[in-house]
Amino acid sequence: QVQLQESGPGLVKPSQTLSLTCNVSGGSISSGGYYWSWIRQHPGKGLEWIGDIYFSGTTYYNPSLKSRVTISVDTSENQFSLKLSSVTAADTAVYYCATGPTVTLDYWGQGTLVAVSS
Amino acid sequence: EIVLTQSPGTLSLSPGERATLSCRTSQSVDSSYLAWYQQKPGQAPRLLIYGASTRATGVPDRFSGSGSGTDFTLTISRLEPEDFAVYYCQQYGSSRFTFGPGTKVDIK
Repeated sequence: QVQLQESGPGLVKPSQTLSLTCNVSGGSISSGGYYWSWIRQHPGKGLEWIGDIYFSGTTYYNPSLKSRVTISVDTSENQFSLKLSSVTAADTAVYYCATGPTVTLDYWGQGTLVAVSS
Repeated sequence: EIVLTQSPGTLSLSPGERATLSCRTSQSVDSSYLAWYQQKPGQAPRLLIYGASTRATGVPDRFSGSGSGTDFTLTISRLEPEDFAVYYCQQYGSSRFTFGPGTKVDIK
């Protein structure tokens, strides 16, 4: 069974870049067939899909965040990463990595809280 | 962009009761692309139902999904204590993943 684990700073200063990594175990990103997603959840709110990446490097981003988001993949390390630039307090959220066979998100990481504050 | 609306916002029920949760989409969607997730406090969401009506691996049969077009329903036949949680519907389309705002099922 695929397992995912997010890692990265829990505190980021306004205007800086948020960087998170998702380490994948129990399956290989390079096997294909799965898309590797980032989702966030503002405190007490619902789920917002940020974007995803295929093992080939093809990416899809939420149009509302596209100008600030970069998702990359490192198949040699079996991990994928999220960068969100020019963050503000509105980007404070729990960030999840997740994956599934295209139309669903079958496996999720535990999530990591990122606060944006000076 | 397809918008998902869930009702009610909160459903207060007792263990053993039946829960009926609604998800409506702003445009007709292929039921193959409609899913439901359960989220408990402090936990990541868990896939419950995909293809509108197929239970994910390990999901108890008290959970069932139905619907087509713009109206979809998640039913929990008899609520167990562990079922009190927030439930999200999700649609996959041209904008990839879109989630509804969620329905909280809490203990009456």
